[in-house]
Amino acid sequence: DAKTTQPTSMDCAEGRAANLPCNHSTISGNEYVYWYRQIHSQGPQYIIHGLKNNETNEMASLIITEDRKSSTLILPHATLRDTAVYYCIVRPYSGGGADGLTFGKGTHLIIQP
Amino acid sequence: DAGVIQSPRHEVTEMGQEVTLRCKPISGHNSLFWYRQTMMRGLELLIYFNNNVPIDDSGMPEDRFSAKMPNASFSTLKIQPSEPRDSAVYFCASSTGQGVSGANVLTFGAGSRLTVL
Repeated sequence: DAKTTQPTSMDCAEGRAANLPCNHSTISGNEYVYWYRQIHSQGPQYIIHGLKNNETNEMASLIITEDRKSSTLILPHATLRDTAVYYCIVRPYSGGGADGLTFGKGTHLIIQP
Repeated sequence: DAGVIQSPRHEVTEMGQEVTLRCKPISGHNSLFWYRQTMMRGLELLIYFNNNVPIDDSGMPEDRFSAKMPNASFSTLKIQPSEPRDSAVYFCASSTGQGVSGANVLTFGAGSRLTVL
């Protein structure tokens, strides 16, 4: 699987957009970008995923660069409840079913009041 | 849907005792995963099942750890004998296991916090 690089920590003011970068310069053509987050003392939570097009859902937007070597997760109006560790994961889908995700250290996003 | 259900939520035991953690995946999900989280090592994938069959147990730390999935609605992770270094939060997760959106979109349980004295 392609390696991902994320900043260790970031701050964002409440109500502003939080932009979390992820570098995955060795990504392969069949690898998807997944984002999860883990709020303190809870299990990880799926946020969004994409292949090459930008994606948006009720939680966030995912912007993937044209060369697919990096991506940005955007939380449009961050709240205090968005304080969490955010994980960017690159994983292929082979069509043969699930095969597990490897979580790195992620980015600790702190939303400031 | 009640989500992924894990029990117990907290367990404190003494070194050498057997520990059994339990997981009920989301109904209809065909894949089940066991993870362990510690401050030092982060989230580690221990083992996962597809259609009740263990696919990859290379993350299981040693022979003291074993996992079973006797049916589609129940899995156990057993540690025997337990050691203080096994202290961690153990998470169970499930996914539909099918399709791009299903295979790697995991729903996690709340975790079981294990303390081995």
